[in-house]
Amino acid sequence: GQNIDQPTEMTATEGAIVQINCTYQTSGFNGLFWYQQHAGEAPTFLSYNVLDGLEEKGRFSSFLSRSKGYSYLLLKELQMKDSASYLCAVSPHDSGAGSYQLTFGKGTKLSVIP
Amino acid sequence: EPEVTQTPSHQVTQMGQEVILRCVPISNHLYFYWYRQILGQKVEFLVSFYNNEISEKSEIFDDQFSVERPDGSNFTLKIRSTKLEDSAMYFCASSEGLRSSPLHFGNGTRLTVT
Repeated sequence: GQNIDQPTEMTATEGAIVQINCTYQTSGFNGLFWYQQHAGEAPTFLSYNVLDGLEEKGRFSSFLSRSKGYSYLLLKELQMKDSASYLCAVSPHDSGAGSYQLTFGKGTKLSVIP
Repeated sequence: EPEVTQTPSHQVTQMGQEVILRCVPISNHLYFYWYRQILGQKVEFLVSFYNNEISEKSEIFDDQFSVERPDGSNFTLKIRSTKLEDSAMYFCASSEGLRSSPLHFGNGTRLTVT
């Protein structure tokens, strides 16, 4: 089966750095995605990792360790607008027809406080 | 930037009625998906669609559900006889179909079954 775990909620201060962890156990692995979802809105893509290591994109970085089934999303210089849910999603397998559907974790609700 | 559009944004229906949710994927994308998110829960995969046929579906996508691409732009999800537990936000997504291609989500249709 597929299992993706992330903390339910986190709180951090404006201007600080926060790390959101994700562990996964899936049948097959074609990559891990992080999405941001503001309340009542659609998920929006943040990052993709398929190889071990750190991917940096502006204030956001994402790390992957395939051997440990572990990823984290690092948000630097937090802003109030970063208050949202952060979803870890794994592409577990290739259906054979290029359908890289994603299995999502329950999301981590981040609250940024002044 | 091109986006996925969904209509309606909110649909209220009575139990047992049929509903059709509509989506216009990004024009050069080849893979289309439906996901749902019950309030407060995780985003769940329903079905993926490529080359005018279903490429993968989840256990949720039973005989009450069907998808169609009636023309060159629209992609629809039909629920034949709605149940109370079908109340959720339904997201359409599309992607280019590469392993690293992120899913681009529409803003969703909030379905309320009474």
